[in-house]
Amino acid sequence: SQKIEQNSEALNIQEGKTATLTCNYTNYSPAYLQWYRQDPGRGPVFLLLIRENEKEKRKERLKVTFDTTLKQSLFHITASQPADSATYLCAANNAGNMLTFGGGTRLMVKP
Amino acid sequence: DGGITQSPKYLFRKEGQNVTLSCEQNLNHDAMYWYRQDPGQGLRLIYYSQIVNDFQKGDIAEGYSVSREKKESFPLTVTSAQKNPTAFYLCASTQQGASGSYEQYFGPGTRLTVT
Repeated sequence: SQKIEQNSEALNIQEGKTATLTCNYTNYSPAYLQWYRQDPGRGPVFLLLIRENEKEKRKERLKVTFDTTLKQSLFHITASQPADSATYLCAANNAGNMLTFGGGTRLMVKP
Repeated sequence: DGGITQSPKYLFRKEGQNVTLSCEQNLNHDAMYWYRQDPGQGLRLIYYSQIVNDFQKGDIAEGYSVSREKKESFPLTVTSAQKNPTAFYLCASTQQGASGSYEQYFGPGTRLTVT
């Protein structure tokens, strides 16, 4: 079955460093991937979308890559700040063109 | 102020009771979705609706029901048949283009606890 996997362990980094989160997909080839941010007890907020024919997408301090050979997307936050601490969700379209979500990775940025 | 509202934020029910969660959007979006989120897990799709008076089952529809009588509203009923109803429920909407790739806008969620 189609699966989206993210590292379930929390990622702890120091303020100012670059955070890199990984999203792997198996058993299919999505046409696009989306990344969302979710704060505790709140709904996810859309950050970026990248299509299969795009290698990289940037928005301010955020960068997303899409490697169809490795079946992987990387999400980078440069010059990270404590305010970036949240859970980040990866989602990909599935065969029915709905979104399949990964379990999310919690990022903690320490001052 | 455009967006999606869900009410209530917290809901407590006794086992065996049906409960309805509200979801309203004023974004003029065609498509609406209901997801369930359990701790440490991804969002799982319960039901979705791409147009008024039409809806489809998602991956975990058993024990749930929905209606879509108005474009703005997509209420979810958690019935007594749902074996593990305690969860965080999220409603979302999107204006789907031909490629179906538009971002989803989420409501603030309703945390349902059934005892």
